[in-house]
Formats: sequence, structure tokens, C-alpha cells
Amino acid sequence: DADVTQTPRNRITKTGKRIMLECSQTKGHDRMYWYRQDPGLGLRLIYYSFDVKDINKGEISDGYSVSRQAQAKFSLSLESAIPNQTALYFCATSDGTGSKNEQFFGPGTRLTVL
Amino acid sequence: SQQGEEDPQALSIQEGENATMNCSYKTSINNLQWYRQNSGRGLVHLILIRSNEREKHSGRLRVTLDTSKKSSSLLITASRAADTASYFCATRGSNYQLIWGAGTKLIIKP
Repeated sequence: DADVTQTPRNRITKTGKRIMLECSQTKGHDRMYWYRQDPGLGLRLIYYSFDVKDINKGEISDGYSVSRQAQAKFSLSLESAIPNQTALYFCATSDGTGSKNEQFFGPGTRLTVL
Repeated sequence: SQQGEEDPQALSIQEGENATMNCSYKTSINNLQWYRQNSGRGLVHLILIRSNEREKHSGRLRVTLDTSKKSSSLLITASRAADTASYFCATRGSNYQLIWGAGTKLIIKP
């Protein structure tokens, strides 16, 4: 079974709708991240969480919110989706111990906002 | 804003040849990591090099780091069709976030 799972894998929605993307992990990591990827660009950090009570904004948090329901679950919400939020969204985790900060990624959610 | 910039943006070589891609970054780093992304899929960690290291090997991968030039290179030797993917560098600074480059798209022709 995959260590980091994301649901849904694909979603098409309309402008103004509220959308929730979910991420679950079985790696036992404290740290979780949400990124978006646009064509031809690298990843941009939306939000990150170092534990259940620690939520931090990333580079591009406007228009997004998150919830860390448990160590294993980290959800991303688009309160009122707009077309320029069409992108590939990735959840990632990393171990809070040590200094490497290697990240483990989910398979991604392809979101289209019409 | 993105820390790293990969060069070239795209690279197409024959199977069996070596592939070299470069990454430049702007600020001081704790470590630099390379990841691979197969089309539309999640990223997979390949190799990490710390700021006090100059070269590192893992199988057919060789990474170098030149902190004075703020640059790194990834060499894939004896390329295979399965190496076709996008390759990203990511730098870790004093906090625990990774900052990503835009990637190099590598195509291995049979």
C-alpha cells in the first residue's frame, strides 16, 4: 500500500465551489506539506504543518486553508475555487527528526476549475 | 519565489549516453536534494548532498555541489528509457522548508 495517499485523484469543479483535497500517510511522520505544481514550473508551497497543533502558511496560501485532523491526515480546502487554481496538487511528508528533510510525495490530485 | 533554476529546461539524448543537468540557487543552504518526477506523478527522492560535501554517488547517479558558485549538477550515466522523467533540485535552508527549481525534462531516445 502507498505510504502517502491523496483523494480524489482527479476533480473537475466550477468557479465558486468549495473543494477539499485529502491526504493520509502511514509513514508516521510529523511533518506534512501541500504544494501546487503548474505546467513548466516547480513546486510551490501552500501550507505546511510540523505537528497537529502547528500550521504554517507557505509561499502561496491566499485562497487556501488547511486542517490537520490527526498526525496522519492533512486536508487542503479551496473555499471558493477560481480558474487559476487549476493545477496539480501534491501532499508530502517528512520525518521531524534528523537534518535531512527528505520528503515523500503522494500521487497528486489534478484539479480543474471551470 | 523559486530558489533553484535547472539548466537545461529540456534534454534529449540517446539511450546509453550520459545525461547532465545543473541547478543554481541563490541563498546559503543546509543541503540540496534531487528528485525525479515521472509524467504527472508524485516526486521521488533520488539523492541528498549536504553543504559540506562536494560529491556523492548513488548507483548510476553522481551529484556534485559547489557552494562557492551556488550550483549543483546531477549526472546520470548509461541512461535508460526508464530514466525519462523530469528532474528537480530542491534546497533546504535554515528552516525546514524545501525550495524548488522549475525542473529539467529528460527524454531518453531508444
